[in-house]
Amino acid sequence: GEDVEQSLFLSVREGDSSVINCTYTDSSSTYLYWYKQEPGAGLQLLTYIFSNMDMKQDQRLTVLLNKKDKHLSLRIADTQTGDSAIYFCAEKGNQGGKLIFGQGTELSVKP
Amino acid sequence: NAGVTQTPKFRILKIGQSMTLQCTQDMNHNYMYWYRQDPGMGLKLIYYSVGAGITDKGEVPNGYNVSRSTTEDFPLRLELAAPSQTSVYFCASSDLATTDTQYFGPGTRLTVL
Repeated sequence: GEDVEQSLFLSVREGDSSVINCTYTDSSSTYLYWYKQEPGAGLQLLTYIFSNMDMKQDQRLTVLLNKKDKHLSLRIADTQTGDSAIYFCAEKGNQGGKLIFGQGTELSVKP
Repeated sequence: NAGVTQTPKFRILKIGQSMTLQCTQDMNHNYMYWYRQDPGMGLKLIYYSVGAGITDKGEVPNGYNVSRSTTEDFPLRLELAAPSQTSVYFCASSDLATTDTQYFGPGTRLTVL
């Protein structure tokens, strides 16, 4: 079945780069997404990548997609304390618009 | 645009009580979804709808019901609340004509005692 896996925690120092990793199982996924959830809030779309792309850059965010290994990563350059949040990877399932979410990676940024 | 709105923000229920979680979107999206998020877990899909009058079960539908009489509204009903339904509930909507990005509401935190 469809499954998305992420590591649960990541801690970095302010100013460093953060890399959050995700693996997925559905090779027919057309889009893969990164969402951010701040405490007590809903999920906010950060970025997405189409499955025929290897990389997408958007300001401080870089998404890398390795389709062969079914591996997705999100790099945040110059990480700030405001980036502290839970980051969810999601793939578009094969039924309508359903998304399959990972468990989320809690990013902690220390000053 | 307000986007996706949910009410109430918080609710405490006793075991066996019923309630309806409201969700409204003003983006004219065809697809709408209900998820639950348990602590330390990702989101699990409860029900979804591909348009007015059409609903389908997700991964964890037991104990819930939905209806979709209009494009804008997608209420989630709990008939006999149980402690296992203590969770944060998120509603989302999307438009398959674009990148199918799902837009989320702020969530409803439900506690069943």
